[in-house]
Amino acid sequence: DSGVTQTPKHLITATGQRVTLRCSPRSGDLSVYWYQQSLDQGLQFLIQYYNGEERAKGNILERFSAQQFPDLHSELNLSSLELGDSALYFCASSHPGLAGGRAGELFFGEGSRLTVL
Amino acid sequence: SQQGEEDPQALSIQEGENATMNCSYKTSINNLQWYRQNSGRGLVHLILIRSNEREKHSGRLRVTLDTSKKSSSLLITASRAADTASYFCATDAERGTSYGKLTFGQGTILTVHP
Repeated sequence: DSGVTQTPKHLITATGQRVTLRCSPRSGDLSVYWYQQSLDQGLQFLIQYYNGEERAKGNILERFSAQQFPDLHSELNLSSLELGDSALYFCASSHPGLAGGRAGELFFGEGSRLTVL
Repeated sequence: SQQGEEDPQALSIQEGENATMNCSYKTSINNLQWYRQNSGRGLVHLILIRSNEREKHSGRLRVTLDTSKKSSSLLITASRAADTASYFCATDAERGTSYGKLTFGQGTILTVHP
């Protein structure tokens, strides 16, 4: 158990709809990252938040948005869903303040599997 | 885009044998990490090697890094059926508090037969 909790585990929805994925990071971790895993694109970095502020952005579509709340949990909002958005969405967390060899290690949740029909 | 390319794409071995996976990347890095993923599950961090390190060990894992060739290898010794999983290399090319913006390779699917 990584300590990162993601809900829901599975989600089936229709094209054009909007969904929200939720992530609770490990206790004490200030950074939250979202990744998308699909068969054709592999694992892609979407976005990072650090202590409530957006810190880095990757291949995140304009239809997608995220935020990190004061209690450090994060939500990824996916709107106007398309078939191609079907994927496994992972949240990961880390504590950038970790010293030495642990800095940079990410702890991943079990993912939210989104199926768009 | 994928920074890392892994080789082989799939590897099938018998229990007790060693498994070697290779990863190549394109840009300068802060560190390179290896993760494991059981089918449909979350990724689990295995080992991190910094750009100024050449070799690192953790249990049955040995990682090497050659920054001049922009390549890394992961060796799993005395493999077990429980090692069956996908293995990903990931590079961290960011500095400061942007650690974690990892670029993953496509992964190597390892199957260890009992």
